[in-house]
Parts: sequence; structure tokens; C-alpha cells
Amino acid sequence: AQSVTQLDSQVPVFEEAPVELRCNYSSSVSVYLFWYVQYPNQGLQLLLKYLSGSTLVKGINGFEAEFNKSQTSFHLRKPSVHISDTAEYFCAVTQQGGKLIFGQGTELSVKP
Amino acid sequence: GAGVSQTPSNKVTEKGKYVELRCDPISGHTALYWYRQSLGQGPEFLIYFQGTGAADDSGLPNDRFFAVRPEGSVSTLKIQRTERGDSAVYLCASSLEGLNEQFFGPGTRLTVL
Repeated sequence: AQSVTQLDSQVPVFEEAPVELRCNYSSSVSVYLFWYVQYPNQGLQLLLKYLSGSTLVKGINGFEAEFNKSQTSFHLRKPSVHISDTAEYFCAVTQQGGKLIFGQGTELSVKP
Repeated sequence: GAGVSQTPSNKVTEKGKYVELRCDPISGHTALYWYRQSLGQGPEFLIYFQGTGAADDSGLPNDRFFAVRPEGSVSTLKIQRTERGDSAVYLCASSLEGLNEQFFGPGTRLTVL
């Protein structure tokens, strides 16, 4: 069965600093990977997705992620964070479309 | 255009009662998903509809949970004999077929007292 592990439950960071949110997945077959963001009291919003092609994927709000098949990872990065990036971030995987399997989430807290 | 809407936004009920949660997907989206998000956890898959039929209901925890989508648009998640452990935010999402982005609604927060 597929599973997703987000290695950090909370990541505090100062404004304008770089950040990396880690995600590892377990699957023996091809997968498709996603990062979603959930702002306080709002619904989930797609940040970026990897379906095929280039392993470096760029998303909204300056975020990017790199698919690493050998390490089964899909870490999310941003070179300089803003206060407004404070939110919960979820990594998710699917095999053939259909249901998404989510990680437990990483709470990003950006401090001034 | 309008996004995915869910009603009610909050529902408080007593243990043993029956509840219905409604989801209005984005117009034209053939796929509809239900997830459940407990406090401090990621969303957990419940059921997926393709059109009117349930393509995958493997996430429904037990037979107290049931969902329908009779006309291929609006869906209702039904929970019988609610238990305190059912308390969570129930999320609905819709998408076009295949690996298209799932658009999520704001959720219904269910509290079972």
C-alpha cells in the first residue's frame, strides 16, 4: 500500500529565509505527486504537481519541488519565505488518478 | 466560476444520531471525492465517484457510512448512528477525469457530542 511520510510536523523559519519541507513516499510502482497548502480556515489549494517529465516542478507563490525516484522523495522548497506563507502543507500521492494519499502535514510558521 | 461548496459548514449532533453532509462540485467535473480530516492529521480518503457510480469506496470505515451521487453532480455523505470518533472535518473535492487537479471545498466540521 502506498504511504506518504512528511518528516517534520512543524517548521519555524524567519521571514526571507529559505525553507525545505520534506516528503517521502513508499510505492513500488509509478506514482504521481502533489503538494497542497491549507491556509487557516480555508480549503486545500494545489501548489504543484509532478506527473512526468522534468523532475524539477515549479508551482505557485514561488514554490518548487524536486522528484527523486531513487530516494522516493518529493521535497518542497522556497528560496525566500514571506509571512503570508504561514500555513499547513500536505504532500500527496496517487497511482492512477482517483484517490489521493496524504501525509500528516507540515505546519510552516514564518516569523518576522 | 463557483468552486466546490459544502453544506453545512458546521454540524453539531449527539451520539447515535443520523447526519447528512452535502457537496456541490464544480460544474462539469465528473469525478467527486470525499475525505475526512481529523485534528492534526492529513486528509484520509473515503470514497470516489466517477459520474453516478462509486469507483472506489475502499476508504469508508464501516457500514455506518454511505454516500450517493444520484445525478452525477451533487453528492451526499450519510452517517448513521454517529459516534464521537466520527468528529472531524469532512472534505469534498471534484475534478475532471484522470490526473487532473482535485479542487477542494471548505469542508464540513462535524462534532459528535
